[in-house]
Amino acid sequence: GAGVSQSPSNKVTEKGKDVELRCDPISGHTALYWYRQSLGQGLEFLIYFQGNSAPDKSGLPSDRFSAERTGGSVSTLTIQRTQQEDSAVYLCASSLYGSANNEQFFGPGTRLTVL
Amino acid sequence: AQSVTQPDIHITVSEGASLELRCNYSYGATPYLFWYVQSPGQGLQLLLKYFSGDTLVQGIKGFEAEFKRSQSSFNLRKPSVHWSDAAEYFCAVRGAGSYQLTFGKGTKLSVIP
Repeated sequence: GAGVSQSPSNKVTEKGKDVELRCDPISGHTALYWYRQSLGQGLEFLIYFQGNSAPDKSGLPSDRFSAERTGGSVSTLTIQRTQQEDSAVYLCASSLYGSANNEQFFGPGTRLTVL
Repeated sequence: AQSVTQPDIHITVSEGASLELRCNYSYGATPYLFWYVQSPGQGLQLLLKYFSGDTLVQGIKGFEAEFKRSQSSFNLRKPSVHWSDAAEYFCAVRGAGSYQLTFGKGTKLSVIP
């Protein structure tokens, strides 16, 4: 079966522009996560969706970051007014359920470069 | 708050040599522990996980890890490294009531032919 897919694989944008990153989780997975991987900070949790529950946005670094998950499937991470420090690889993961003993399957990531 | 320390940023080993990657965690109770591997340009792949029970866990690609509660450690081992093992390895912890993974900074493994 298909794994987690993300698009685009690479995105180059200019400072101040908005970007949208897409994640398609594994079919049937109810939980979806976004992480950010940057040179200085390593891998950081951003946001978590579980079914129809309100998302946990506690990891979002600023109000320029937002995410939504439509129909319990595809998710979009939006970064408004991008800054150079937003340059990173954005990883999406999904799991069957959100419980701690469920394996998270990761997508290949979107590499974002802000010039 | 939970945290993970991987003290070695970069390790170089010869092909065929044994490998041990160190991981120490901080968490109030028994955590769920994971090792992931990331090859260049790829996402994270789960190597193995520890939830409970036998403290020596076997994973894919010939890797194993041992949970030592007294040392708050979960070191990854492989008896004989292959060139294809060159990658970055991440240790992660997840609390029993949590859903987010907390990762270490990673250890980059280079393999000399």
